[in-house]
Amino acid sequence: AQSVTQLDSQVPVFEEAPVELRCNYSSSVSVYLFWYVQYPNQGLQLLLKYLSGSTLVKGINGFEAEFNKSQTSFHLRKPSVHISDTAEYFCAVSLNTNAGKSTFGDGTTLTVKP
Amino acid sequence: DTEVTQTPKHLVMGMTNKKSLKCEQHMGHRAMYWYKQKAKKPPELMFVYSYEKLSINESVPSRFSPECPNSSLLNLHLHALQPEDSALYLCASSQDPSGSREQYFGPGTRLTVT
Repeated sequence: AQSVTQLDSQVPVFEEAPVELRCNYSSSVSVYLFWYVQYPNQGLQLLLKYLSGSTLVKGINGFEAEFNKSQTSFHLRKPSVHISDTAEYFCAVSLNTNAGKSTFGDGTTLTVKP
Repeated sequence: DTEVTQTPKHLVMGMTNKKSLKCEQHMGHRAMYWYKQKAKKPPELMFVYSYEKLSINESVPSRFSPECPNSSLLNLHLHALQPEDSALYLCASSQDPSGSREQYFGPGTRLTVT
């Protein structure tokens, strides 16, 4: 079975600073990886995904992530954050043998301060 | 149209009531999901429908009863709920149930059981 660990439960950062949200996964087979964002009182929205191919994935709102197979990581980065990036971020992994069932990490609360 | 809609947005019900949550998507997606999300926690998978058939039930109590009337609609029937069932209920859809596609989430129904 697969599992996902988000290494930081809370990340405070100042506006315009860079940020990295860390995600490690474990699986014995190939995986698909996703980052979702959840703003207060809303559903989850896809930021980016890794299915195959280039290990550097670019997403919406200036976010990008790098898939590192040897380190089993999929860290999310943004070079300069805005106040509006304050939200909960979830890393998720799914397998092509699991009927579309995704496993979510516990989430990272990103707080951007002025 | 990349939207998943959910009604109602808020629901308060007593422990003896019967109510239903509704979810709709018009993206032609063939997989639909119900999740339960408690505050500050990741979504917990409840049910997966694949091509309108129930493919995954994550050992959900029978007081929750899902229904998929057609490929665009997903219902969750609620009966004799407990206060601990109070949560945000999220619906999601995906192009197919292989796990290789991202999920599109609705805004959720905030359920309070009194």
